[in-house]
Amino acid sequence: AQTVTQSQPEMSVQEAETVTLSCTYDTSESDYYLFWYKQPPSRQMILVIRQEAYKQQNATENRFSVNFQKAAKSFSLKISDSQLGDAAMYFCAYRSPTSGTYKYIFGTGTRLKVLA
Amino acid sequence: DARVTQTPRDKVTEMGQEVTMRCQPILGHNTVFWYRQTMMQGLELLAYFRNRAPLDDSGMPKDRFSAEMPDATLATLKIQPSEPRDSAVYFCASGFGTGQETQYFGPGTRLLVL
Repeated sequence: AQTVTQSQPEMSVQEAETVTLSCTYDTSESDYYLFWYKQPPSRQMILVIRQEAYKQQNATENRFSVNFQKAAKSFSLKISDSQLGDAAMYFCAYRSPTSGTYKYIFGTGTRLKVLA
Repeated sequence: DARVTQTPRDKVTEMGQEVTMRCQPILGHNTVFWYRQTMMQGLELLAYFRNRAPLDDSGMPKDRFSAEMPDATLATLKIQPSEPRDSAVYFCASGFGTGQETQYFGPGTRLLVL
């Protein structure tokens, strides 16, 4: 069974600095999807970025980028030029492409604090 | 800007009462998911539907929980009777199940059972 591990329960970053959140996963599949979701205090789960395992190029979305290491089964999120609005819980998620299976497996989350 | 909507946003009820939570998926999406989030268990998948048919509800306590999709624009999650351990945030998410779908979440319903 697939598992997703976020080993950092909490991280802090100074405003305008860069921070990296870690995520590792375990799977025997070769093709899959990985996601980072942000949950601010408003509790809305917001998609930050998505990566297809068959793509070697790391996904980027403005200040957010990932470091996808397929062999190491690692999927870290880098936030550049951190802003106060980035403070939130961040969840890493894995999705199998297996036909008929639409489940996500979520990690336990990392709480990011942004210091002014 | 298409969004998943959920009602109510917050619900306080007494033990034993029936609770109904509603979700309107993004128009055109054909998969709907119900999650429960607690501090102890994190995000748990309760049930999901594709084209309004339930595909998996193994995460749901069958004796008190039920999930339905009366039509493509409405999904419901009912708890009867509610218990204090059901207190949690319940999220609905929708996606378009082509195999590449991303799940888009609603704002959640915070349920408190006294």
